[in-house]
Amino acid sequence: GAVVSQHPSRVICKSGTSVKIECRSLDFQATTMFWYRQFPKQSLMLMATSNEGSKATYEQGVEKDKFLINHASLTLSTLTVTSAHPEDSSFYICSARGDARMNTEAFFGQGTRLTVV
Amino acid sequence: GENVEQHPSTLSVQEGDSAVIKCTYSDSASNYFPWYKQELGKRPQLIIDIRSNVGEKKDQRIAVTLNKTAKHFSLHITETQPEDSAVYFCAASMGGGNKLTFGTGTQLKVEL
Repeated sequence: GAVVSQHPSRVICKSGTSVKIECRSLDFQATTMFWYRQFPKQSLMLMATSNEGSKATYEQGVEKDKFLINHASLTLSTLTVTSAHPEDSSFYICSARGDARMNTEAFFGQGTRLTVV
Repeated sequence: GENVEQHPSTLSVQEGDSAVIKCTYSDSASNYFPWYKQELGKRPQLIIDIRSNVGEKKDQRIAVTLNKTAKHFSLHITETQPEDSAVYFCAASMGGGNKLTFGTGTQLKVEL
């Protein structure tokens, strides 16, 4: 299957700082990328959908000014957690799908464990 | 929007037994239903998927059935092995580049 690479895998930051997480599709062009947040022993909650070259679509309750998403190319999307607080600590996972015309599998990055201290 | 419910939340079986996980979805427009296996701290891995034009799909010990009329689909794992222990998520999508809506997950434990 296709490869989606997410970095960093783990990050610890201080309260009030910002953290950027990168999601890259290594061997295919990802028309659409999705960002999820997962709390321990819970499901994946979609935060936002990003399409290359356009603004991200955020799910209800997700602050777009706090979770900045940029999808500047067909192979890279970034999520920036701004002014992080301890309650932002979580497992963040991106996924990518290929051609939007096709009913294709979604491939996941390896996830980023964010700890805000 | 789409709502996916998944049962049971935990499932313990003896090695060699079968395991069945069931999901229901709300949006009749959904036409793509993948199942993911996630081990602790790792990414979800697709194990099988089904599209709405078929009612059943099988891949070795894993099978998925889909009932479009009732809007439910199920994962069947036969001859379970300890390495099958993980969290399993079902999902539904309207296909193409659309988002996946995930179920709440099932913690499967296969005991020796």
